Amino acid sequence: KNEVEQSPQNLTAQEGEFITINCSYSVGISALHWLQQHPGGGIVSLFMLSSGKKKHGRLIATINIQEKHSSLHITASHPRDSAVYICAVPGGTGNQFYFGTGTSLTVIP
Amino acid sequence: GAGVSQSPRYKVAKRGQDVALRCDPISGHVSLFWYQQALGQGPEFLTYFQNEAQLDKSGLPSDRFFAERPEGSVSTLKIQRTQQEDSAVYLCASSLGGRGSQAFFGQGTRLTVV
Repeated sequence: KNEVEQSPQNLTAQEGEFITINCSYSVGISALHWLQQHPGGGIVSLFMLSSGKKKHGRLIATINIQEKHSSLHITASHPRDSAVYICAVPGGTGNQFYFGTGTSLTVIP
Repeated sequence: GAGVSQSPRYKVAKRGQDVALRCDPISGHVSLFWYQQALGQGPEFLTYFQNEAQLDKSGLPSDRFFAERPEGSVSTLKIQRTQQEDSAVYLCASSLGGRGSQAFFGQGTRLTVV
């Protein structure tokens, strides 16, 4: 059983489209993380949120703690947004994280 | 440094060879994690350090995998007698500590065993 489920697994969009990636989790959490992973493998932390909504540029992340669900939105998508987006929640012992399998986004010019 | 640094970025090893992967966490970060990411999968937990103490190594897939952080800063993940199934990206992350505190990830080391 996966503690974190993401959808969709793959997403192709035209430049300018509004994009939504969803994340559901089954464990109680203090905060949820959205991460961006580029083809070289490096991971960048986009958001850490525990309630409500956060916005950074064209990226918006929302979370509903009661429903154990979070969404990552990208407005006016651009080819440089092409990457894998991963949802992660803390869990287990020792502050480790549980990760979703990621959503591979390709934005076509 | 400004971020988590991993080296080498890429490593090709012949089956049976031993490899050592290095992680330099952000200065002052207490917690350090190692993750293994197979192609097309999310990262899977390997082991966790709090300072120099390895508090959780439940994710290490076999006794060929060994990690250390002797001075509570730099960490090394060693894989002995590499097998093809060890091919993956190995990610290191560090954080100030505390449940749910933001983790900062390195660029990863892509290991290919041939």
